[in-house]
Amino acid sequence: ETGVTQTPRHLVMGMTNKKSLKCEQHLGHNAMYWYKQSAKKPLELMFVYSLEERVENNSVPSRFSPECPNSSHLFLHLHTLQPEDSALYLCASSHSRAGSTDTQYFGPGTRLTVL
Amino acid sequence: AQSVTQPDIHITVSEGASLELRCNYSYGATPYLFWYVQSPGQGLQLLLKYFSGDTLVQGIKGFEAEFKRSQSSFNLRKPSVHWSDAAEYFCAVGALYKLSFGAGTTVTVRA
Repeated sequence: ETGVTQTPRHLVMGMTNKKSLKCEQHLGHNAMYWYKQSAKKPLELMFVYSLEERVENNSVPSRFSPECPNSSHLFLHLHTLQPEDSALYLCASSHSRAGSTDTQYFGPGTRLTVL
Repeated sequence: AQSVTQPDIHITVSEGASLELRCNYSYGATPYLFWYVQSPGQGLQLLLKYFSGDTLVQGIKGFEAEFKRSQSSFNLRKPSVHWSDAAEYFCAVGALYKLSFGAGTTVTVRA
């Protein structure tokens, strides 16, 4: 595997379910990101981790819970979601978060549908 | 805070014709600017980036972009479009560790 991988690619869940999204980067990067992509809206930054420490939480509802056990893996735990949470969830990584000059590399995303 | 505007939601272009996608940004200091492309079912792929220096930046797949500080613009161009260029294109401005994206422009290529 190379680059940034995400599993599952598609997920359908009910509002009472609990599920997790997984992201893995094989680039040796130190920073990882979760974004939400809704149709015809700019990407919304949700969380940023740098060296496994959360450094950004953009007022995301508590029904989204991130976890970064090491610099290569990032999870997004989901519970009691709402239909408006249906979107494409993208994971990205960069060498460091020291500056915005770092290029972010994106995974293919998880298409989430909440029924 | 920085922001990005992509004025064109959807552009249709004939194969072989030229393409220009507009991007305007708002940021108080010297911006770091990026163009990404997203093919259907895929994540975002970096086309090119501008940090400093030459204001005309070359990227992958034959794309280039020009930074114009006076117009706060970073427009993307390609001289001759291929059918495989049909995708969604995102402009982004970077400050600190944060990338702010535009809403994207969808490009349709007709034969």
